[in-house]
Amino acid sequence: DSGVTQTPKHLITATGQRVTLRCSPRSGDLSVYWYQQSLDQGLQFLIQYYNGEERAKGNILERFSAQQFPDLHSELNLSSLELGDSALYFCASSVGDSILGETQYFGPGTRLLVL
Amino acid sequence: AQSVTQLDSQVPVFEEAPVELRCNYSSSVSVYLFWYVQYPNQGLQLLLKYLSGSTLVKGINGFEAEFNKSQTSFHLRKPSVHISDTAEYFCAVSDNSNYQLIWGAGTKLIIKP
Repeated sequence: DSGVTQTPKHLITATGQRVTLRCSPRSGDLSVYWYQQSLDQGLQFLIQYYNGEERAKGNILERFSAQQFPDLHSELNLSSLELGDSALYFCASSVGDSILGETQYFGPGTRLLVL
Repeated sequence: AQSVTQLDSQVPVFEEAPVELRCNYSSSVSVYLFWYVQYPNQGLQLLLKYLSGSTLVKGINGFEAEFNKSQTSFHLRKPSVHISDTAEYFCAVSDNSNYQLIWGAGTKLIIKP
C-alpha cells in the first residue's frame, strides 16, 4: 500500500459525458501527478500540481483539467468523453516539486471505460 | 530531447532462470534512472533508482540494475525469477534539463512454470 488513494476504482460512462477522478496523496506529500495508461499510448504524464499550483503539463488534452485543493487532494476532470479516453488513470505523489531523483508513489488507479 | 527505449515488449523466462530487462536512454547530461514495477491490477511501485555513486544498484525483491554511462543503458537483472515476479516493468529517466520523468513503454515479464 503506497498511501495514495484514488476513487472511484472503476468508472463506466458514455461518450460526451463528464467525470471526475479523485486522488488523495500520501500524508506529507505536496506534489500530485496524473498519468494516463492505455494499451496504445503506454504511460503518459498528464499534469503535476505542487501545493495547489500547477507546475508542469504533459500530454493533457484541452478537454481535461485538474486542480489541487488546500487539503492537497486533487481532482482530474475529463469532459466531452470519447471512446479513446478509455484508460487507466493513475495519480502519484511525492514530497517535493519534481526534485531530481525523487520517488513518486502511485495510487491503484481508476479504470475508465467510455461506451 | 530525452527518450527511453525498452527494447523488449515481452520477456518470457522459466521460473528460477535469470532474467535481464533492457533499458536504453538518450540524454547528454547527468541522468537519474528508475525502474518501477506494475503487478497485475495494481499501481506502479519503485523497484530501484540510480542517482549517483556506485553504478550497481540493488532494489527490492532481489532485483538489481547497472548504470552504464558509455552505453547509455540501465538494464535490470535478477539471478532467479519466481512466479510472483510476473508483472510489467517500466524504466524511467529524468535529468537537469527536464525534471519530469520520461517513461519507457514497459516490458512484460512472463514467467513460465
